[in-house]
Amino acid sequence: DAGVIQSPRHEVTEMGQEVTLRCKPISGHDYLFWYRQTMMRGLELLIYFNNNVPIDDSGMPEDRFSAKMPNASFSTLKIQPSEPRDSAVYFCASSLVRGQQFFGPGTRLTVL
Amino acid sequence: AQSVTQLDSHVSVSEGTPVLLRCNYSSSYSPSLFWYVQHPNKGLQLLLKYTSAATLVKGINGFEAEFKKSETSFHLTKPSAHMSDAAEYFCVSNAGNMLTFGGGTRLMVKP
Repeated sequence: DAGVIQSPRHEVTEMGQEVTLRCKPISGHDYLFWYRQTMMRGLELLIYFNNNVPIDDSGMPEDRFSAKMPNASFSTLKIQPSEPRDSAVYFCASSLVRGQQFFGPGTRLTVL
Repeated sequence: AQSVTQLDSHVSVSEGTPVLLRCNYSSSYSPSLFWYVQHPNKGLQLLLKYTSAATLVKGINGFEAEFKKSETSFHLTKPSAHMSDAAEYFCVSNAGNMLTFGGGTRLMVKP
């Protein structure tokens, strides 16, 4: 298996633009997680899905953020409109039930 | 509620000397515990995990960690540091499917 795949690896955009981050989990994993990493706040869980259903989105910072998982092999995290304070590295991870989480390489987002 | 505390935000060692990265956890029950490593501009890679089997856990790249329930600690060690060990290390606790991350320890290795 290729592991968790994220795209793009780097994204630079201007304030106010819509940003879409993509994730393909490891085949067969039931859980998918979105994290954000910044120098100030470290790693934060934004949202996680179980069998494509959002279970806990309490970490999503505000309504500008939304996440979907239309099927078992694809998830998106959307920011609309983006702001400079959204600049961070966004990680996707997947796991089996109660298992080790496998992380993707991350998407480095810069909002100018 | 869980919490994970990494006692040092930065650790600096010389190449060839031992490494000790400290981690304490708090949980209402014995959690699963992990150490992840993150090299610059890379994702997180699992070093080792404790899941209530042996208390001394061996991981990749010569790292090991010992689970001590009486001290609620899970410190990471390596007998001899290598330059390639320079990275950020995260101690992580898992209850159910929710990970709780420590604040991270940046390990610097001097030649």
